[in-house]
Amino acid sequence: DAGVTQSPTHLIKTRGQQVTLRCSPKSGHDTVSWYQQALGQGPQFIFQYYEEEERQRGNFPDRFSGHQFPNYSSELNVNALLLGDSALYLCASSLAGGKVEQYFGPGTRLTVT
Amino acid sequence: SQQGEEDPQALSIQEGENATMNCSYKTSINNLQWYRQNSGRGLVHLILIRSNEREKHSGRLRVTLDTSKKSSSLLITASRAADTASYFCATVYTGGGNKLTFGTGTQLKVEL
Repeated sequence: DAGVTQSPTHLIKTRGQQVTLRCSPKSGHDTVSWYQQALGQGPQFIFQYYEEEERQRGNFPDRFSGHQFPNYSSELNVNALLLGDSALYLCASSLAGGKVEQYFGPGTRLTVT
Repeated sequence: SQQGEEDPQALSIQEGENATMNCSYKTSINNLQWYRQNSGRGLVHLILIRSNEREKHSGRLRVTLDTSKKSSSLLITASRAADTASYFCATVYTGGGNKLTFGTGTQLKVEL
């Protein structure tokens, strides 16, 4: 049973560029959430997708956008990268309809120079 | 913003000792969860306790929840070097869908 997978593992980008991160949820899960974790901090919720729509959004600017595909996989896009966007980006999957545990992927380490 | 804070920020103990971490939060919750993170990688779910529960056990883990004080504690008994990691509490608060709001984390180091 495959867990949550994310790609790429590491990424280096320059300020002003755009980046796309990818996530495949755990088998059987239909909901994907994205979190940003700055160094030394706890993860912060970016947004959540279910049935290909954004259902909840955290306090992040519109530069952060996402998408969910019919197979439940998801992408996180960040435009006009800032140095402060450097972080570990975590994807988590779960089943909709319940306030239950989420299963996290290994994350994508984004460095903006 | 973070939901709450964890205490202590860092903890160093000897193998075989017990480790206790505390978490405080700010608003009414549906449930509280504890996660472990090794070396800045993905988080592993440890245990979930619902707002109407006071204590829960899973193997060497014991979690308590005091909703009147808006606090929780995680006890790891008979710690092992492999328990070395960062531990985070995360809340799902009432009316907040099922998004997780994380605390600041406790870095646990278990020495041989």
